[in-house]
Amino acid sequence: DIQMTQSPSSLSASVGDRVTITCRASQSISSYLNWYQQEPGKAPKLLIYAASSLQSGVPSRFSGSGSGTDFTLTISSLQPEDFATYYCQQSFSTPFTFGPGTKVDIK
Amino acid sequence: QVQLQESGPGLVKPSQTLSLTCTVSGGSISSGGYYWSWIRQHPGEGLEWIGYIHNSGSTSYNPSLKSRVIISLDTSKSQFSLKLSSVTAADTAVYYCAAYYYASGSYWFDPWGQGTLVTVSS
Repeated sequence: DIQMTQSPSSLSASVGDRVTITCRASQSISSYLNWYQQEPGKAPKLLIYAASSLQSGVPSRFSGSGSGTDFTLTISSLQPEDFATYYCQQSFSTPFTFGPGTKVDIK
Repeated sequence: QVQLQESGPGLVKPSQTLSLTCTVSGGSISSGGYYWSWIRQHPGEGLEWIGYIHNSGSTSYNPSLKSRVIISLDTSKSQFSLKLSSVTAADTAVYYCAAYYYASGSYWFDPWGQGTLVTVSS
């Protein structure tokens, strides 16, 4: 199985801050990497697919980059509705695996 | 716009079989670009992919659960189902159905159902 790790596991930030979350795969996954946002009590929501493509309807303050084993999700200016947990997920091979999540809360 | 909705018992006894159904609306369950999937999330933890089924009938399961899982498709009802046998307390989780979509050489889970909590307890 491909193991996914994320850092940090949690972070505190203020509205307007630039936030960067890192995801690392245990082997090269090319650009088969997706990012999801999960608010408490809700289903995950797709933000970024194929490492850097913004899902339709997702604000442009979200961006993704990387390939191979190292990826980043950046929120350029944190908004109140962005306080949530973020997961990366590899779609390179089965079993599809998710990172453990990064919780973003209010500073 | 495809929408998914899970249904099924919220309480299952140990050693019994967990059965959930996902109803697909707003699109065709027979669409070739979709792999109909189940994912679970243990309380306060991360996400675990259980498996998927394609409308061709092909399936793929997580090896960690493969011996206990069956995913099936009923195109006449626009539904797909999950059966997980011999459940224990470790199977207590929120279960999501999701569409694993293929486009432009990439795959992703979107959309997701709202999720349903299944508790395994006597």
